[in-house]
Amino acid sequence: DGGITQSPKYLFRKEGQNVTLSCEQNLNHDAMYWYRQDPGQGLRLIYYSQIVNDFQKGDIAEGYSVSREKKESFPLTVTSAQKNPTAFYLCASSSPDFFSYNEQFFGPGTRLTVL
Amino acid sequence: AQSVTQLDSHVSVSEGTPVLLRCNYSSSYSPSLFWYVQHPNKGLQLLLKYTSAATLVKGINGFEAEFKKSETSFHLTKPSAHMSDAAEYFCVVSDPGGYNKLIFGAGTRLAVHP
Repeated sequence: DGGITQSPKYLFRKEGQNVTLSCEQNLNHDAMYWYRQDPGQGLRLIYYSQIVNDFQKGDIAEGYSVSREKKESFPLTVTSAQKNPTAFYLCASSSPDFFSYNEQFFGPGTRLTVL
Repeated sequence: AQSVTQLDSHVSVSEGTPVLLRCNYSSSYSPSLFWYVQHPNKGLQLLLKYTSAATLVKGINGFEAEFKKSETSFHLTKPSAHMSDAAEYFCVVSDPGGYNKLIFGAGTRLAVHP
């Protein structure tokens, strides 16, 4: 089955720790995205990558870092500098061609809780 | 700049009655518009998308939406609600500038009562 997987489903972090959220896709999509979701606020873009070895900051990148060493993988690290990391994190991918109209496909999400 | 406003944060209907979730957008371009659905603690699933081919767009699970340029609206409807429709719904506009950015509304939580 083609799709996006995220792991773990639930993650608990102590204050001051860095944690890494995994995102893998087998849709052969060039572009990948990380979003943060808080209650009542919709989704906010953290980072995006249009191609391997390249990524750009989104609207709320402070306290986060990413890498894109492989087309299939786009891990997100939540660093200790992120002041309020408790949230639901969603990874997405898309094929930025004319016929896709920018449709993005989403993974099942990771819920991060800071203890 | 593009923006999306979902006019209701919560909508409650009875099973078997019509559903209307309202969305207004602002865009300088001819937009691509989407509705996504999210069940609790799940990812987002595409319901339907408008891509200028037809103003009335049919999606999955009996949902449809009508693009009205004069009203800058893209409201989501369903003739008869089912209990399984209870979820959060997001209206989304695509920003054509550069990197396929999607701009999300704040969401509408739909409750369906027996």
